[in-house]
Amino acid sequence: NAGVTQTPKFRILKIGQSMTLQCAQDMNHNYMYWYRQDPGMGLKLIYYSVGAGITDKGEVPNGYNVSRSTTEDFPLRLELAAPSQTSVYFCASRTYTTDTQYFGPGTRLTVL
Amino acid sequence: QKEVEQNSGPLSVPEGAIASLNCTYSDRVSQSFFWYRQYSGKSPELIMSIYSNGDKEDGRFTAQLNKASQYVSLLIRDSQPSDSATYLCAVNMAGANNLFFGTGTRLTVIP
Repeated sequence: NAGVTQTPKFRILKIGQSMTLQCAQDMNHNYMYWYRQDPGMGLKLIYYSVGAGITDKGEVPNGYNVSRSTTEDFPLRLELAAPSQTSVYFCASRTYTTDTQYFGPGTRLTVL
Repeated sequence: QKEVEQNSGPLSVPEGAIASLNCTYSDRVSQSFFWYRQYSGKSPELIMSIYSNGDKEDGRFTAQLNKASQYVSLLIRDSQPSDSATYLCAVNMAGANNLFFGTGTRLTVIP
């Protein structure tokens, strides 16, 4: 049982490039989340999903897109990278029976 | 606006002392409250959850909840240098499918 996994661990992008951050969980959790964390700040919710085929915006969705075609996977897409998207990105998941979220190890993204 | 407030710190305590971390929240009907610990460069990990008014103890950690005052705290007894981390308070607010996080309190335990 690997829990929540994220790839890549680190990535450097140039302005205007695109990339997909991968997130997978093997706990059969319905809910999945994407957060970003800027230095010295808390977690800001980007997007979340309550199940396959259902996604919704969080607090800071601009510049990002998501899809949820399976229960296990919840990729986050950056279409036109901007320096403001330099951050650490965390994926999390939970079951529908509890609010407790379990986090992946994170992806550190730098946009230059 | 739904908010979770924490003192950013840093909070420094000597080894063996009690560390007290505080959190206030804006939504009166919040039901679930969490403390996460985050080491530098790592992801948040759950320390405690609390749902009812009063105290909940788990080893050296005690979470305290006062819904009337919209206040939740975390006490760490016999603080160890390994407790040095940022502690995030998280609250589930009414009608939301997600948690709202505070900005965290950075704790340093001095040997």
